[in-house]
Amino acid sequence: NAGVTQTPKFRVLKTGQSMTLLCAQDMNHEYMYWYRQDPGMGLRLIHYSVGEGTTAKGEVPDGYNVSRLKKQNFLLGLESAAPSQTSVYFCASSYRPQQRQGPSSYNEQFFGPGTRLTVL
Amino acid sequence: DQQVKQNSPSLSVQEGRISILNCDYTNSMFDYFLWYKKYPAEGPTFLISISSIKDKNEDGRFTVFLNKSAKHLSLHIVPSQPGDSAVYFCAASASGGSNYKLTFGKGTLLTVNP
Repeated sequence: NAGVTQTPKFRVLKTGQSMTLLCAQDMNHEYMYWYRQDPGMGLRLIHYSVGEGTTAKGEVPDGYNVSRLKKQNFLLGLESAAPSQTSVYFCASSYRPQQRQGPSSYNEQFFGPGTRLTVL
Repeated sequence: DQQVKQNSPSLSVQEGRISILNCDYTNSMFDYFLWYKKYPAEGPTFLISISSIKDKNEDGRFTVFLNKSAKHLSLHIVPSQPGDSAVYFCAASASGGSNYKLTFGKGTLLTVNP
């Protein structure tokens, strides 16, 4: 199993250009996530998906769009890149957490290797 | 407002000694906590977790302690090895409809010196 893979690994864009980051997972996970990591900021959730055909906004969604046309793929799009979007982007996936009262069920998220994006 | 705080950006320890990484949280709804480890140019990998019904969870050299009253958890690595040098992220989740969501701290860079 490849786990979670991301394409491309590196990319340099000019301001205003567009691009799509691809995430693929082969673990049959229902949930998928896009995060960005900036120096001193930790991991922040951009968008997530709870299943094929559904997406939702996370903590920092502005300037990004996503699509989940197939269960195994989650795409992150930048329509008009800005220097503020220079970051490392991580995709993650997980099984659907069990819905119950009390302490959360185990909710390990599996991460891809990341895409380093620079916007000039 | 940061709900998960890792106040030490970095920590340096000698090989063979104990490493203690700390994490504080402010949201009383958090009831499940995870530690992730990240090497440069790689994605984070899950290390160990703890539910709020426990105060300790151990896995080999790694032990996580949870103090709910203080809203504090810590990761102990004993003995520390050079291969443990990485950034460690603390993360938390809450029960209910949003239990998929993990809130991460900013991370602590651990350096284990030979």
